[in-house]
Amino acid sequence: GAGVSQSPSNKVTEKGKDVELRCDPISGHTALYWYRQSLGQGLEFLIYFQGNSAPDKSGLPSDRFSAERTGGSVSTLTIQRTQQEDSAVYLCASTLLGRGQSPLHFGNGTRLTVT
Amino acid sequence: GQQVMQIPQYQHVQEGEDFTTYCNSSTTLSNIQWYKQRPGGHPVFLIQLVKSGEVKKQKRLTFQFGEAKKNSSLHITATQTTDVGTYFCAGFGGGTSYGKLTFGQGTILTVHP
Repeated sequence: GAGVSQSPSNKVTEKGKDVELRCDPISGHTALYWYRQSLGQGLEFLIYFQGNSAPDKSGLPSDRFSAERTGGSVSTLTIQRTQQEDSAVYLCASTLLGRGQSPLHFGNGTRLTVT
Repeated sequence: GQQVMQIPQYQHVQEGEDFTTYCNSSTTLSNIQWYKQRPGGHPVFLIQLVKSGEVKKQKRLTFQFGEAKKNSSLHITATQTTDVGTYFCAGFGGGTSYGKLTFGQGTILTVHP
């Protein structure tokens, strides 16, 4: 596709349930990022992938959060036992080069609501 | 860890007035990027600055990177209603920071016609 694709666009889940968020980056982009944005707030870094490996997982808020990237392409962010404070927009971005050398291209995000 | 602070948090201007947002990092940056997020949208890349003291212009927008590579600014001349949105800076620390881009909290710009 022409841009970064994220699915679902909206997700409402009950507290305690697991959710899986998907990101399809731009073809050929080696690096992939996940950020979280709460209403009216800035972008909170979660994790960064270079290829399939994640050299920086420092932003994952707790061990309930995990992410993987397979085939150097699609990435999934999994949140286990969701809590209300997990409600936010989860943004995925891909970029051609790693190490901040090229622009990030963001998807439209997944709006997660935990009830 | 690296922190990127951005001020002001909000700015309300009349159309035609100028606007500036400032970005300060706790550590020296390898480079800095600027993004704009329209209401309801996702961040869109504006520009990247790499060199110490670098100044770049895009029409009414002027971007600066400080000599010490720890601060940056975005200045908009004669704002228009189309400039409304949130402006973010994002810093890359280099070295052992791998590819982590740390975003500032953003400045929300409102332009009154």
